[in-house]
Amino acid sequence: DTGVSQNPRHKITKRGQNVTFRCDPISEHNRLYWYRQTLGQGPEFLTYFQNEAQLEKSRLLSDRFSAERPKGSFSTLEIQRTEQGDSAMYLCASVTTSGRGGEQFFGPGTRLTVL
Amino acid sequence: SQQGEEDPQALSIQEGENATMNCSYKTSINNLQWYRQNSGRGLVHLILIRSNEREKHSGRLRVTLDTSKKSSSLLITASRAADTASYFCATVISSGSARQLTFGSGTQLTVLP
Repeated sequence: DTGVSQNPRHKITKRGQNVTFRCDPISEHNRLYWYRQTLGQGPEFLTYFQNEAQLEKSRLLSDRFSAERPKGSFSTLEIQRTEQGDSAMYLCASVTTSGRGGEQFFGPGTRLTVL
Repeated sequence: SQQGEEDPQALSIQEGENATMNCSYKTSINNLQWYRQNSGRGLVHLILIRSNEREKHSGRLRVTLDTSKKSSSLLITASRAADTASYFCATVISSGSARQLTFGSGTQLTVLP
């Protein structure tokens, strides 16, 4: 399977704990995006990387959130001191800048539940 | 925040009927895309229409774009039970280099066999 993969698929944690998610994009894709989706809503942009550089962050990305993409391949999203409001589906998408300029390829997501 | 709204929020039709979903957005766009999301699964890209295009077809899908009204519609013809899913429009705005997608709130389509 050469699509976008995300791990874990589900994560249940207690409030105050730290969690880390991983995204493996399609190998030739140099842009990687993180989105958050709550129940009944469309995904909302969090941040994106061009290769290893994090170029833009949404105001939704509080100080408790940090994302990395070392070596421009896989990416991690860490949430520190989780809160119940962090419960959501976290989606990763990748795209090549030499592509048609729009279509993004999404992973299956990581569903986070904060108790 | 969401770029716009989709209408209706939920739609239930019989297999074989056509389904039409509408999307409105707020800012100037580079392109508009439609995605499908099945329960518990990731988003799948359906079709992309650029700001200088007015209509596009792909199989049983037809999408229109009216930039003067900042609106788009997605028509699914001869629907099947397998089309049951949430459908989202997403825009890429004209300004900025991030090219992130800004999604609407979605339409939940149920196709009854």
